[in-house]
Amino acid sequence: GDSVTQMEGPVTLSEEAFLTINCTYTATGYPSLFWYVQYPGEGLQLLLKATKADDKGSNKGFEATYRKETTSFHLEKGSVQVSDSAVYFCALSDPRSGGGADGLTFGKGTHLIIQP
Amino acid sequence: GAGVSQSPRYKVAKRGQDVALRCDPISGHVSLFWYQQALGQGPEFLTYFQNEAQLDKSGLPSDRFFAERPEGSVSTLKIQRTQQEDSAVYLCASSLVEVLNTGELFFGEGSRLTVL
Repeated sequence: GDSVTQMEGPVTLSEEAFLTINCTYTATGYPSLFWYVQYPGEGLQLLLKATKADDKGSNKGFEATYRKETTSFHLEKGSVQVSDSAVYFCALSDPRSGGGADGLTFGKGTHLIIQP
Repeated sequence: GAGVSQSPRYKVAKRGQDVALRCDPISGHVSLFWYQQALGQGPEFLTYFQNEAQLDKSGLPSDRFFAERPEGSVSTLKIQRTQQEDSAVYLCASSLVEVLNTGELFFGEGSRLTVL
């Protein structure tokens, strides 16, 4: 079945450091890929997405590129801020043949802590 | 309200009790999902509704779990004869579109269930 593997945390960085959170996936079809973020005390919210190979999703200074050849969707940011402290989830959606919606398959989440 | 609303936010139940968790999706959203998130894990798919039709309930862990959305809006997740392993955060999410791979899921803050 489908699965998502992401680096385990917590990841602790200093403000303005470069961030990479690795994510790889396995899927039977041709999935769309997502990064969701959960700030303290809030619900999950979509950070960025990519729907086909070589697409780059970007938002709030974060980027991730859909790499079909390496089945990866690593999240990057050039200069992190304290306000980026949150839990980040990589996820995929892999509609079965015939269409229709399927639930997202999530990774376990990576807790990011940014220190001033 | 503008977002997905879940209630109660926190529920403590004695083992064997029945519980009901409510989700108010964003008005007009066709798709509604329930997820279960254990501590330190990513959300895991439970069930999916398209309007009032429950199209996928493959993620429900046992026949003690039951979900409904009778009028295609509010949904209730019911857990009968709760067990300690049911302790988790139960997330509700809704989406405007029917096909998930291009759409965005909007999550509620979750209902945290603790079974003693």
